[in-house]
Amino acid sequence: NAGVTQTPKFQVLKTGQSMTLQCAQDMNHNSMYWYRQDPGMGLRLIYYSASEGTTDKGEVPNGYNVSRLNKREFSLRLESAAPSQTSVYFCASSGGTGGTTEAFFGQGTRLTVV
Amino acid sequence: GEDVEQSLFLSVREGDSSVINCTYTDSSSTYLYWYKQEPGAGLQLLTYIFSNMDMKQDQRLTVLLNKKDKHLSLRIADTQTGDSAIYFCAERVSGGYNKLIFGAGTRLAVHP
Repeated sequence: NAGVTQTPKFQVLKTGQSMTLQCAQDMNHNSMYWYRQDPGMGLRLIYYSASEGTTDKGEVPNGYNVSRLNKREFSLRLESAAPSQTSVYFCASSGGTGGTTEAFFGQGTRLTVV
Repeated sequence: GEDVEQSLFLSVREGDSSVINCTYTDSSSTYLYWYKQEPGAGLQLLTYIFSNMDMKQDQRLTVLLNKKDKHLSLRIADTQTGDSAIYFCAERVSGGYNKLIFGAGTRLAVHP
């Protein structure tokens, strides 16, 4: 049972380059999220998708775009990377609006922009 | 607004109890969670408490919730070196989707 799978695990980009972070979940969850984690700041929500076909901005969306390709996959794109986007990125998914609705996290993508 | 605050560091001796504290601001929170992050890994759910409860015990873990003061704590009994990690408090706020607000995380260091 894979859970939430993110690729790549590590990436180094030059300023101005673009890249897409991939995320897939196999738990048939409706909701998916992208967070970034920076030291001393916890996790900040970049974008989320409450269900297939919908996406919405979170707390820190500037410089990012997302695509909810289908129910399983939610990708995060950096069109023109900046050093301020150096961070660890986590994808997460959760089951719905009821119940304990815990979020399941991927292993993270460590991105460095030089 | 929505905000979750926790202290950044805690150091305890092996075998002692650890208490990690958290405060939150949204009175409409339905669930409150504790997540654990080990080095180089993602977050894993440790435990959760529903907002109409004031205590939950799960083996070595005890969660206390003071809804009036919006204060949540996680107590780890008989702390072991394997408990060294970052612990995140999170609240689920009301809304059409599962919006989770995370604290900055408390780094727990367990020493012999």
